[in-house]
Amino acid sequence: AQSVTQLDSQVPVFEEAPVELRCNYSSSVSVYLFWYVQYPNQGLQLLLKYLSGSTLVKGINGFEAEFNKSQTSFHLRKPSVHISDTAEYFCAVSSSGGSYIPTFGRGTSLIVHP
Amino acid sequence: NAGVTQTPKFRVLKTGQSMTLLCAQDMNHEYMYWYRQDPGMGLRLIHYSVGEGTTAKGEVPDGYNVSRLKKQNFLLGLESAAPSQTSVYFCASSYGGANTGELFFGEGSRLTVL
Repeated sequence: AQSVTQLDSQVPVFEEAPVELRCNYSSSVSVYLFWYVQYPNQGLQLLLKYLSGSTLVKGINGFEAEFNKSQTSFHLRKPSVHISDTAEYFCAVSSSGGSYIPTFGRGTSLIVHP
Repeated sequence: NAGVTQTPKFRVLKTGQSMTLLCAQDMNHEYMYWYRQDPGMGLRLIHYSVGEGTTAKGEVPDGYNVSRLKKQNFLLGLESAAPSQTSVYFCASSYGGANTGELFFGEGSRLTVL
């Protein structure tokens, strides 16, 4: 079985500050990892993904994430946030153990203050 | 391209009524999914399909039925709506294999059951 834990339900930060959104996963087999963003009243869209290769993955809007197999983590980072980054962020994992069907975390609400 | 289209976007039902949500995708994806999103619960998988004519149960299938008669369409039905089914419903689609976890989402359908 696979599972995802997003450790923070809400993360408030000031504009231009760095931010890290934490994600830990559990799986007994190799995993594929994803971060999605959901702006208010919209569907989810893919920010970035890790399938294989380099453990540092860069995505859209200046976000990046690092796959750490030993820590079973896939934390999302941005060095300087903007007001427009205010949104809900979801981490997801898929694996052969789950027939590649993704499992989502409960989400982290990023609130950027001016 | 339209991507993933859901109809209707809003619906109010009375307890015991039935309805069908329609999802259409134009990306020739094999996999399609229905999720529900509730505050603090993240995305929970209701049912999914790995190809035309196939369906499978997800995490929270009770009270819902699905059909995939055509590859591009995935229907979600509520036979007898209950207030607990008040939620935002998202349809998504994806390719198979390692890219299964890269989902393309519709904009959501907000359902209220009175």
